[in-house]
Amino acid sequence: GNSVTQMEGPVTLSEEAFLTINCTYTATGYPSLFWYVQYPGEGLQLLLKATKADDKGSNKGFEATYRKETTSFHLEKGSVQVSDSAVYFCALRDNNDMRFGAGTRLTVKP
Amino acid sequence: DAGVTQSPTHLIKTRGQHVTLRCSPISGHKSVSWYQQVLGQGPQFIFQYYEKEERGRGNFPDRFSARQFPNYSSELNVNALLLGDSALYLCASSVLRDRAYEQYFGPGTRLTVT
Repeated sequence: GNSVTQMEGPVTLSEEAFLTINCTYTATGYPSLFWYVQYPGEGLQLLLKATKADDKGSNKGFEATYRKETTSFHLEKGSVQVSDSAVYFCALRDNNDMRFGAGTRLTVKP
Repeated sequence: DAGVTQSPTHLIKTRGQHVTLRCSPISGHKSVSWYQQVLGQGPQFIFQYYEKEERGRGNFPDRFSARQFPNYSSELNVNALLLGDSALYLCASSVLRDRAYEQYFGPGTRLTVT
């Protein structure tokens, strides 16, 4: 079956540090991959997506590349800000099946 | 534009009771999905509806059912509530964009079963 595994948190970084949140997936088909973010007190929001192998999704300085050979979709940002503190969810969609990872809480300290 | 709306915001029910949760999608979105999110975990897929037809179902018991109306709003029904059904129930409407369905989530309904 389909599943998503992402690195456990919490992750605590200083402002301007480099961020990587690992995400790997298992899928029976050819899924689309997503990162969603949940800021404190807010609902889930789509951060970025990629629909096929080697696609790179990017938004707000965050990037993730769809790696079929390693079944991964790691989230990266070169310089995090305090405002990036949130819970990040990796997700896949394979036909009509949608799976989310458990979420990684990121705290960025000034 | 209004986002996805859900009602009620909070709900407290007793074991064995029935509950109905409601969702209105973003205008123009024809697909609605329901998720259960337990504290500290990611959302678990329950159902997807498109044009009033069930298009996907997650691994949830038959106590969970849903439907979509002609105006694309949706209801999630849960019968014979168990303590373990306590969770945040999320509704998302989606639109196909750049070959992928992008989902827009509502604020959720917090269900507490006592």
